[in-house]
Amino acid sequence: DADVTQTPRNRITKTGKRIMLECSQTKGHDRMYWYRQDPGLGLRLIYYSFDVKDINKGEISDGYSVSRQAQAKFSLSLESAIPNQTALYFCATGPGGGLGLGEQFFGPGTRLTVL
Amino acid sequence: GDSVTQMEGPVTLSEEAFLTINCTYTATGYPSLFWYVQYPGEGLQLLLKATKADDKGSNKGFEATYRKETTSFHLEKGSVQVSDSAVYFCALSDRSSARQLTFGSGTQLTVLP
Repeated sequence: DADVTQTPRNRITKTGKRIMLECSQTKGHDRMYWYRQDPGLGLRLIYYSFDVKDINKGEISDGYSVSRQAQAKFSLSLESAIPNQTALYFCATGPGGGLGLGEQFFGPGTRLTVL
Repeated sequence: GDSVTQMEGPVTLSEEAFLTINCTYTATGYPSLFWYVQYPGEGLQLLLKATKADDKGSNKGFEATYRKETTSFHLEKGSVQVSDSAVYFCALSDRSSARQLTFGSGTQLTVLP
């Protein structure tokens, strides 16, 4: 089984709809991240969480919200989707404390299309 | 803030050719450096990493050396295969408690038989 899973893998929705993307991990990592990928722009950080009680905004958090329901689960919500949120979304995990030196482990991605 | 600049693609090579993908960075302090690879339809996988100056990361025939004096971490492979076709991302992680990854824009590599 995959260490980091994302659901759904593909989603088409309409402008103004609320949508939630979910991420689960079995790596036992404290830290979880949400990124979006756009062609030619690499990956940009939306939100990150160091533990259940710690949520931090990333580079492009406007229009998004997150919830860390448990150490293993981190969901991303678009309260009112708009077309320029069409992108590939990735969840990632990483060890906390002094471990890992910044290495992160990625899920397979969710392709979101907003019409 | 931190930034990563990668050689723009796409890069097209014949099988068994030599590969170099350039990567330079700007960061305060001494970041950790990474190369990630993204195969079609998949998430990013860590290819190799280096955590201090002059470290060489290597994996699957790929190599990159952490050059502090030139702030570079160029990816090389002596003989590419068709199966190496993918998008390659250079990234750095700061050494603050945040441990955020900053990515380059990615380089698409296509290897032709």
